[in-house]
Amino acid sequence: AQTVTQSQPEMSVQEAETVTLSCTYDTSESDYYLFWYKQPPSRQMILVIRQEAYKQQNATENRFSVNFQKAAKSFSLKISDSQLGDAAMYFCAYRSRNNNDMRFGAGTRLTVKP
Amino acid sequence: DTAVSQTPKYLVTQMGNDKSIKCEQNLGHDTMYWYKQDSKKFLKIMFSYNNKELIINETVPNRFSPKSPDKAHLNLHINSLELGDSAVYFCASSQEGQLNTEAFFGQGTRLTVV
Repeated sequence: AQTVTQSQPEMSVQEAETVTLSCTYDTSESDYYLFWYKQPPSRQMILVIRQEAYKQQNATENRFSVNFQKAAKSFSLKISDSQLGDAAMYFCAYRSRNNNDMRFGAGTRLTVKP
Repeated sequence: DTAVSQTPKYLVTQMGNDKSIKCEQNLGHDTMYWYKQDSKKFLKIMFSYNNKELIINETVPNRFSPKSPDKAHLNLHINSLELGDSAVYFCASSQEGQLNTEAFFGQGTRLTVV
């Protein structure tokens, strides 16, 4: 099964600054999907951004963008102009295209300092 | 309308009891999942169903049995509950072949076994 690794258990950023969360994955597949989910204290899982592996262009959603390096199997999330409401657990996820298997990393807890 | 709904939201029960968690999605998705989130926030896939058929069955005790009466429902039944079963259980759904192929999550069920 594919594995997803988030090497930063905790990260901290000053309000209005930029932070990057790291994610690497291991797969032998060529076509798959990658996601970043946010889980605030309410525990609801909220999709932040998605990336299709066949697309070379990095996905962007407002203040959130990714750096997708397919050869390196890396998928980092950049949060620009951080806001207090960005404080949450962030999970990187890999979804196989063929068998509906969706795997998550261990998560990174992001703290935003005012 | 809630896209993926789980009931109950909280469940406190004694060791040895049998309990069920219900999940329904109104998105017309063909795949549903159960995930377990432990106290360290690690999200582990337990089961995946596609069109009512079991696709993924991770190494979980036989005490856990999923039931999918139709595409819109995936219930989780747990027999002989143990202290280690205490966790938050998430139901999710997704649709193969669509552009927006991320998983949509329910609000989670916090199970506490005493």
